[in-house]
Parts: sequence; structure tokens; C-alpha cells
Amino acid sequence: AQSVTQLDSHVSVSEGTPVLLRCNYSSSYSPSLFWYVQHPNKGLQLLLKYTSAATLVKGINGFEAEFKKSETSFHLTKPSAHMSDAAEYFCVSDTGRRALTFGSGTRLQVQP
Amino acid sequence: NAGVTQTPKFRILKIGQSMTLQCAQDMNHNYMYWYRQDPGMGLKLIYYSVGAGITDKGEVPNGYNVSRSTTEDFPLRLELAAPSQTSVYFCASGGQGMNTGELFFGEGSRLTVL
Repeated sequence: AQSVTQLDSHVSVSEGTPVLLRCNYSSSYSPSLFWYVQHPNKGLQLLLKYTSAATLVKGINGFEAEFKKSETSFHLTKPSAHMSDAAEYFCVSDTGRRALTFGSGTRLQVQP
Repeated sequence: NAGVTQTPKFRILKIGQSMTLQCAQDMNHNYMYWYRQDPGMGLKLIYYSVGAGITDKGEVPNGYNVSRSTTEDFPLRLELAAPSQTSVYFCASGGQGMNTGELFFGEGSRLTVL
């Protein structure tokens, strides 16, 4: 079975400082991995996706993630946090059953 | 652009009541999904559909039923509501090929069962 583990339930950063949201995956084969963002009282929106074409994936709003097979990780980063980045972030994997498996989420707080 | 539309946004039910959560998409997507989101638990898949007339169970289907008579609509029915079904429900749709991973979500339906 394939799953993802988000290592932090809550991350707090100051505006203008880097963001790191950590995700590890477990899979017996190369997975498809994604990051989604959920702003308060809204649905989820795709940030970026990894499908084996390139290990460094760039997404919307300045976010990027690097697939590291040796570490089974897919961490989400952004060089400089903005107040509008405050949201819940989900690491997601493709189960191969035409559905996605979601991690438990990381709530990002951005302090002024 | 309407995208994925869910109704109602909020509902309070009494134990044992039934209701249907409506979901409609206008993107001509074949794949549609119902997820529930509990605090700190991420999203759990309830049911999904790969096209009109075809549905399948997800991870947590008990207490729910779905139908898919058209490409656009994918209603979720709760029979005999229980407090354990208090949650936020999200409908989503996606195009061909799930390894694209891009699902489009509605804004959610918050259900409370008392």
C-alpha cells in the first residue's frame, strides 16, 4: 500500500522567511506525488505535482518541491513566506486505484 | 466559471434522518469523488465514479450511497445519519488519467449530526 506522512501538523514562520513543509512517502514503486493547498473555508487547490519527469517541481505562488528517492521525501519549500500563504497544505499520493491518498495536513501560520 | 458546485454548504441533522448532498461539475470530467475531512485527519475517500453509471467504494463507504446517472452530477446520500458522520464533505472531479493528479474541489458541505 502507498501512503504519505506529513511530519509537522503545524508550522509557524515570519513573513519573508523560508517555508519548509515536510512529507515522506512509502511506496514499492515510483509514485505520483502532489501538494494541495486549502485556504480557510475553501476547497483544495493543486499547488504542484511530481510524475517522474523532473525531480524538482515548480508550482504556483513560488512554491516548489523536490522528489528525493533516497530519502523517500517530497518536501515543499518557498524562499520567502507571504501572509497570503497561511493555509493548510496536504501532501498527496496516487494510489493507482483512480483515487488519491491524502496526508493529515500541515497548517502553515505566517507571522507579520 | 462554476467548476464544482456543492449544496448545501451547511446542514444540521438529527440522528436517524437522511439527506442528500448535491454535487455538480460543468467541466465534462469523467472522474468524480466524495471525500470527508475530519479535523487533523486529512481527507478520506468515501465513493468515486469513473463515468456515468459506474461507481465504486472508497476507504470509508459505510453509511453512504451514491449514484451517477449523468456526467455532471454525483449526489451523496446519507441514510440514518449518525454523530460519526459529522464532518466536512468535499466533492471533486478530474479529467482522464488519474496520474495527472489534478482534482477540482467544491467548497465543501459542513454537516453536523446531533
